[in-house]
Amino acid sequence: QSALTQPPSVSGAPGQRVTISCTGSSSNIGAGYDVQWYQHLPGAAPKFLIYGNMKRPSGVPDRFSGSKSGTSASLAITGLQAEDEATYYCQAYDRSLSGWVFGGGTKLTVL
Amino acid sequence: QVQLQESGPGLVKPSQTLSLTCTVSGASINSGGYYWSWIRQHPGKGLEWLGYIYSGGGTYYNPSLKSRVSISIDTSQNQFSLKLISVTAADTAVYYCARAGYYASGPISWGQGTLLTVSS
Repeated sequence: QSALTQPPSVSGAPGQRVTISCTGSSSNIGAGYDVQWYQHLPGAAPKFLIYGNMKRPSGVPDRFSGSKSGTSASLAITGLQAEDEATYYCQAYDRSLSGWVFGGGTKLTVL
Repeated sequence: QVQLQESGPGLVKPSQTLSLTCTVSGASINSGGYYWSWIRQHPGKGLEWLGYIYSGGGTYYNPSLKSRVSISIDTSQNQFSLKLISVTAADTAVYYCARAGYYASGPISWGQGTLLTVSS
């Protein structure tokens, strides 16, 4: 069981907006640590998508946005495209572990 | 742009020691305060942080692996390595190496991963 809880799957039609939630605890997200998000395609290296809860590395489209509140965070994807079909992971530092924790991953299906 | 590439045996027998290497290109493993990390993904499961080594010194491991894991740096080869002793079938996973710029920020650059199977 992952320390950060994500829904196993979400889906949306092209052009629509989807959100993926990530729920943690008082030892990670709730402790004020930043949340990062990654996009993972099978057989590829995970791609750094969002850092510092809501910042995008250069090259990441502004269709991707992040937010955080309390012990939870969210990733929103607007204007869904077929190429967005992937598994998305959230990540944060955990002070009980003194290391990183990840969500279980959410598979996004573009209908 | 930094690139990371994992390498390893692919297959290890139960109770043996797993050794994986991550070769870094495009940056010196010695320069800057980076966290060189290992993360794994069991088949059909999420990501699990194994540990990291700070380029300025210091190693940090996931307590769930207890004393089975160790990470080291070879500056002469621009590589860092993972050793996991007494492996079992539960250690079968895809292993990723990654680099982070800050301990609390998460990995920025990742390798493509290498599948390790533990089987007799």
